[in-house]
This record gives sequence, structure tokens and C-alpha cells, in this order.
Amino acid sequence: GAGVSQSPSNKVTEKGKDVELRCDPISGHTALYWYRQRLGQGLEFLIYFQGNSAPDKSGLPSDRFSAERTGESVSTLTIQRTQQEDSAVYLCASSLQVDRAVYGYTFGSGTRLTVV
Amino acid sequence: DAKTTQPPSMDCAEGRAANLPCNHSTISGNEYVYWYRQIHSQGPQYIIHGLKNNETNEMASLIITEDRKSSTLILPHATLRDTAVYYCIVSDTNAGKSTFGDGTTLTVKP
Repeated sequence: GAGVSQSPSNKVTEKGKDVELRCDPISGHTALYWYRQRLGQGLEFLIYFQGNSAPDKSGLPSDRFSAERTGESVSTLTIQRTQQEDSAVYLCASSLQVDRAVYGYTFGSGTRLTVV
Repeated sequence: DAKTTQPPSMDCAEGRAANLPCNHSTISGNEYVYWYRQIHSQGPQYIIHGLKNNETNEMASLIITEDRKSSTLILPHATLRDTAVYYCIVSDTNAGKSTFGDGTTLTVKP
């Protein structure tokens, strides 16, 4: 597709369960970013990929959070043993790394995660 | 990335120009100014960016002061659909995280 695709768009899960969130970036975009946005708040950086490598994982809030990227394409954000404070919209963005200044980020519509 | 400061909210009358300020007094020489907006329940949308020259595109204009310590995003003829949270961020051209602050909530009123 032409844009960044995220799935599922909505996810309700029980506390303690694991969840996987998927991001399909724009084809050819080598850089991929995950952000979290709690209700009424700004964007919180989680992790960034350049190709399949993650040079910056500094934003992952705990070891329950992990992410991977394969084929310089799809990325999966996994949250283990979900807690209620994990409830948020998880946003994925991609960019052409070579000259990010020209293109900026393109964001997906996000996955709204609700932990009950 | 340099920190930015934006007013939490602004109102604008429909059809008038909306001028959204951003302070970035600690910006360094290789950092660009980017603007994004987020309409309710959607992901942020790129609007415009610049280094030191003023920039214009089909969505907006960006005015950067000569000392680069502040900038203004101008929506020349605001419409109701421009109601959104507007984020100003500064970042260098290397891929890496960008820090989004709380932004400015712009409300365009009829």
C-alpha cells in the first residue's frame, strides 16, 4: 500500500496476556519507529530500527517490551504479561533514512490497545 | 534532540491565518525544525520542515528567525478541518528518535 499499515487497529486483552502489534512500513523505507501515546498525552518514543537493527531501544519501558524487524520491512512490537498501564495507542512511523530531512516521518493510524 | 516549547492551546477564526509559535533556543547547527499535526484518533501527519530559510508548501508556511531560536507555522486560511494538535520538533538529519512534546491544540472556530 501507499502508507504505513498497522494491525490490528484495536486490541482488547486481559491483564497478563501477551500481545503482538504489527507494522508494515512504506516499501523502501529503511527506518522504522515505534511510539506510544497514552490518552490525552504526547508521543513517547519506544524504539527505532535502521534496516533490521535497532540502534536505539532506550524508550522501551521495561523488559516486557520487545520489538523485531525482518526483511527490512515488517516490524512486530511484543508486550508480554500486559498491565493496565500499557493501555495506549501504539504508533508506527517509517522514513527514508538517507535524507530524512526531505521526507520526515510517515505515521500509521496506530493500534489502540486496551488492557482490562 | 533540542527541546521545544509551544503554547498548550490556541484559537483561530475560520478563514483567518493561524500562526503557531515554537521556541527552540538550544537548537544546534545541524538540526532541522519539523512540524506535524495530529487530528483526533489519527496518526501524526508531516506538514513542513526547514533548516534556516523560510519554507512554503501547499499546506503551510514556516518562518524561522535569523538566530534559529524560534519559528512560526502559518496556516494562511484556517478551516475547521485544521483543528488538531500541532507538534514542533527539532532533529538532525540522521535517522533516530525525534522527541514530540505536548504540542499546541489549535481550535478553529466558525
